[in-house]
Amino acid sequence: NAGVTQTPKFRVLKTGQSMTLLCAQDMNHEYMYWYRQDPGMGLRLIHYSVGEGTTAKGEVPDGYNVSRLKKQNFLLGLESAAPSQTSVYFCASREGTSPLHFGNGTRLTVT
Amino acid sequence: EDQVTQSPEALRLQEGESSSLNCSYTVSGLRGLFWYRQDPGKGPEFLFTLYSAGEEKEKERLKATLTKKESFLHITAPKPEDSATYLCAVRGTKTSYDKVIFGPGTSLSVIP
Repeated sequence: NAGVTQTPKFRVLKTGQSMTLLCAQDMNHEYMYWYRQDPGMGLRLIHYSVGEGTTAKGEVPDGYNVSRLKKQNFLLGLESAAPSQTSVYFCASREGTSPLHFGNGTRLTVT
Repeated sequence: EDQVTQSPEALRLQEGESSSLNCSYTVSGLRGLFWYRQDPGKGPEFLFTLYSAGEEKEKERLKATLTKKESFLHITAPKPEDSATYLCAVRGTKTSYDKVIFGPGTSLSVIP
């Protein structure tokens, strides 16, 4: 039982490049979330989804897009990466009143 | 707007020296307060959920309590393996029904 899997684990981008982060969960959860974590800032919500085909903005959505075409997958896209998007990105999922289940993160550096 | 703050930012304890971490929250209609543990290079790992004032949960050396404005994570006789960052989070009803908002965390170091 893998839980929440994030790919890739590490990535280095140049300013202006684009990339997609993939989150996959095998627990049949309805809710999925993307957070970024920066020193001293804690986890900040970027976008989230309450079910297949739905997405909603969180606290810091600018510069990111998401898609939830399949229930088990939640994609986070950066169309034109900026150094301010250097961070560790975490995906999480939950069902009903259950707590969040997290992946182990993607460490992204934008130079 | 829902908000979560945590104190202290960092805490250094000797092995066996008990202490408490604080989580203060502002939320419209609390639907759950969560404590997580995060080890370096890993995602947060769930510890406890508290739903109403007066509720308490325990797990090994950890005990979480909840009031209407705060939650405390009490650590009794800590061991070096308790060293981690402890995160507090809330889910509310009115402005953030589906969102889970996190505090900045407390970094705990337990020295042998």
